[in-house]
Amino acid sequence: GQQLNQSPQSMFIQEGEDVSMNCTSSSIFNTWLWYKQDPGEGPVLLIALYKAGELTSNGRLTAQFGITRKDSFLNISASIPSDVGIYFCAGTGGSNYKLTFGKGTLLTVNP
Amino acid sequence: NAGVTQTPKFRILKIGQSMTLQCAQDMNHNYMYWYRQDPGMGLKLIYYSVGAGITDKGEVPNGYNVSRSTTEDFPLRLELAAPSQTSVYFCASSRPPSGQARETQYFGPGTRLLVL
Repeated sequence: GQQLNQSPQSMFIQEGEDVSMNCTSSSIFNTWLWYKQDPGEGPVLLIALYKAGELTSNGRLTAQFGITRKDSFLNISASIPSDVGIYFCAGTGGSNYKLTFGKGTLLTVNP
Repeated sequence: NAGVTQTPKFRILKIGQSMTLQCAQDMNHNYMYWYRQDPGMGLKLIYYSVGAGITDKGEVPNGYNVSRSTTEDFPLRLELAAPSQTSVYFCASSRPPSGQARETQYFGPGTRLLVL
């Protein structure tokens, strides 16, 4: 089946720093989604990408759908303590509407 | 809209007991999904449904059953609970009748299950 490699597994940064994380796949994806999960909660959608090359922002968050359709990145600028959580990439490939998830990036922000 | 709701929030089961995890959505979504999340792992798909009366297995279906009698509800059944089923279970839905966000899944708050 389809697999996603998400990196880094964890990050520990100082408040105000910028953050970058990415996902790569062995096969072409048609949709890339980025979710954030707070402790004890379900994943919440941050950004959805539907076209290769698409660059989309949501406040301090920016995500891009790679030109090769096999990767995506998420950037967070000027991090704040409430950015703490696990960030997941997810995608759908081919005619498959089912999501494949990465294993997540645990972000810790030191005030 | 309440979105996706799940009950209970937390449950402790003894080995061999059975229970049903409830999931409902009020967004008129056609597709619904059940995932489990284990520590340090992403979400693994257990079962999914593309509409009322239609269900199919995901990546890890063993030990679970589902039904979809209505568009709104998608319960997950554990018949003989085992310690390996200790996990956090998330329900999700997607595919509004039209629009670009057809592949976007919206998640419930989760059910934490402990099997002892």
